[in-house]
Amino acid sequence: SQQGEEDPQALSIQEGENATMNCSYKTSINNLQWYRQNSGRGLVHLILIRSNEREKHSGRLRVTLDTSKKSSSLLITASRAADTASYFCATDGYGGSQGNLIFGKGTKLSVKP
Amino acid sequence: DTEVTQTPKHLVMGMTNKKSLKCEQHMGHRAMYWYKQKAKKPPELMFVYSYEKLSINESVPSRFSPECPNSSLLNLHLHALQPEDSALYLCASSQEFSGARHEQYFGPGTRLTVT
Repeated sequence: SQQGEEDPQALSIQEGENATMNCSYKTSINNLQWYRQNSGRGLVHLILIRSNEREKHSGRLRVTLDTSKKSSSLLITASRAADTASYFCATDGYGGSQGNLIFGKGTKLSVKP
Repeated sequence: DTEVTQTPKHLVMGMTNKKSLKCEQHMGHRAMYWYKQKAKKPPELMFVYSYEKLSINESVPSRFSPECPNSSLLNLHLHALQPEDSALYLCASSQEFSGARHEQYFGPGTRLTVT
């Protein structure tokens, strides 16, 4: 079963705008990751945030984590057409007791030039 | 080299065929994974190998048979598949099998069509 649920399911914006995607999860976690997937391709790791961290930055990406609300957000600033992809959050399985990664349903981002 | 390679890129097979998917990484990772992904869905874990031993089999039908010949290679043997098995099959590796503590590196996938 899925641990993370992304919101919104689809997002369409203009180039230069910011894109915010949210992820909610059900059980306690040790770490949360975000991945990007271009259509029909493999996933690319974007950022990892640990349960004791609240915010992390990587280039134009900003990830926040609120463990009290069991939620995370991914902000892409100054979006580009090349950012068009699906974005998935992924957490430890079942409260960190298992070693596998469980992916959310994903947000499909479309950035129009 | 931070690349995971997968062959073939595309595969069309009949329901009576036997074929294999191959995956290779040279990052010294000790965990390797097979995922199945249907269109517009997230990847679903099938198998995990940790230190060349099968650690997780997510109740996958026996027509899928994984093999880890050595620490760099992972195969997925396919036999008597059904049309509903058509999907993108992704291989991934990570430093250790440790939940979300380590990032996973994904290959480009094999697009499988079962006719």
